[in-house]
Amino acid sequence: NAGVTQTPKFQVLKTGQSMTLQCAQDMNHEYMSWYRQDPGMGLRLIHYSVGAGITDQGEVPNGYNVSRSTTEDFPLRLLSAAPSQTSVYFCASSRPNQETQYFGPGTRLLVL
Amino acid sequence: LAKTTQPISMDSYEGQEVNITCSHNNIATNDYITWYQQFPSQGPRFIIQGYKTKVTNEVASLFIPADRKSSTLSLPRVSLSDTAVYYCLVGDRASYGKLTFGQGTILTVHP
Repeated sequence: NAGVTQTPKFQVLKTGQSMTLQCAQDMNHEYMSWYRQDPGMGLRLIHYSVGAGITDQGEVPNGYNVSRSTTEDFPLRLLSAAPSQTSVYFCASSRPNQETQYFGPGTRLLVL
Repeated sequence: LAKTTQPISMDSYEGQEVNITCSHNNIATNDYITWYQQFPSQGPRFIIQGYKTKVTNEVASLFIPADRKSSTLSLPRVSLSDTAVYYCLVGDRASYGKLTFGQGTILTVHP
């Protein structure tokens, strides 16, 4: 199993550009989540999904969209990038009532 | 969701036992206590989870007193490779995948 994969590893955007961060898992996990981590900070929940077709907002959803058309994939869309969205983005997956989430390697995003 | 409080940073030396305490005064009946470890430039990794008393695995031990208002992660005989950020999370299992991590505790192990 590859586990949780994220692409790209690193991305530079200009203010106002849009892009999609990809996340995929091959463990057949129902739950998937997106987090952002700013320097020296913990992870903050952006959006999460408890199954295909079901998504909900986390703590910091503004400026981001998600969809979950399949169990495997959970892309995160930045609609109009802003410098405040410069961060490291982590995707995670888990099963309901499972004791742990599995995290991807992260995507570093720099918005100029 | 229960709020947690843990020290911002701790220092230790190789070979010592390290105990990191997390306070969670408003923990609910269905809540579990989970600890994660994060190395620089990596996603968090699960260490241990418990509900009450003591849990031990090959990596760490988790001590939870009877009132469950706090918990202590114990790392035996740390090495330089244990230098990382450690996060304490509290929530019921149905909320996992929907939790926000706090700032965590930066553990620095010195030679």
